[in-house]
Amino acid sequence: GIQVEQSPPDLILQEGANSTLRCNFSDSVNNLQWFHQNPWGQLINLFYIPSGTKQNGRLSATTVATERYSLLYISSSQTTDSGVYFCAVEGTGGFKTIFGAGTRLFVKA
Amino acid sequence: SAVISQKPSRDICQRGTSLTIQCQVDSQVTMMFWYRQQPGQSLTLIATANQGSEATYESGFVIDKFPISRPNLTFSTLTVSNMSPEDSSIYLCSAREGRNEQFFGPGTRLTVL
Repeated sequence: GIQVEQSPPDLILQEGANSTLRCNFSDSVNNLQWFHQNPWGQLINLFYIPSGTKQNGRLSATTVATERYSLLYISSSQTTDSGVYFCAVEGTGGFKTIFGAGTRLFVKA
Repeated sequence: SAVISQKPSRDICQRGTSLTIQCQVDSQVTMMFWYRQQPGQSLTLIATANQGSEATYESGFVIDKFPISRPNLTFSTLTVSNMSPEDSSIYLCSAREGRNEQFFGPGTRLTVL
């Protein structure tokens, strides 16, 4: 099945810093989503982005489907950005959404 | 977007017992899924809940251990049977309409003693 790799696995930032999270996938995908899991465990939808670029406030994402990767940019990070960021993809062979291992982000005040 | 609720939100159970988790979506959806998230880990797909037919299980998960029902397009249940401490996890219900954005419930935190 499709493999999803996220990097870095862990990231510590000073409040106000910028960061880039990466998601590589091993095969063609029908869709790709980025989620933020907050410290209380709730999964929050950030972007539905099978291709192209989207922006939402301080966050933006780019997916280059032909090169099988996606990037999540966080600018001017805040302590509330802490948590785990997951990339999840649906391969072309079915309707299953497969998650990467996640990037654990901690933003220091 | 779909709003998904789960009951119970958490439970502590004894070894050997069973727990049924309910998932309710606020709109009709074609696809419903159940995931497990073990402590400190990512989400693993347990099964796709099919309306009116048997669920489709992923490798490593079997119907006898995780029976699933989906009687209509807005509701599903997952039962964790004959529980052991290794079943302690967060169980998440998820829903999607076609090949669109996927949404998740708040999860059920299960602890097995």
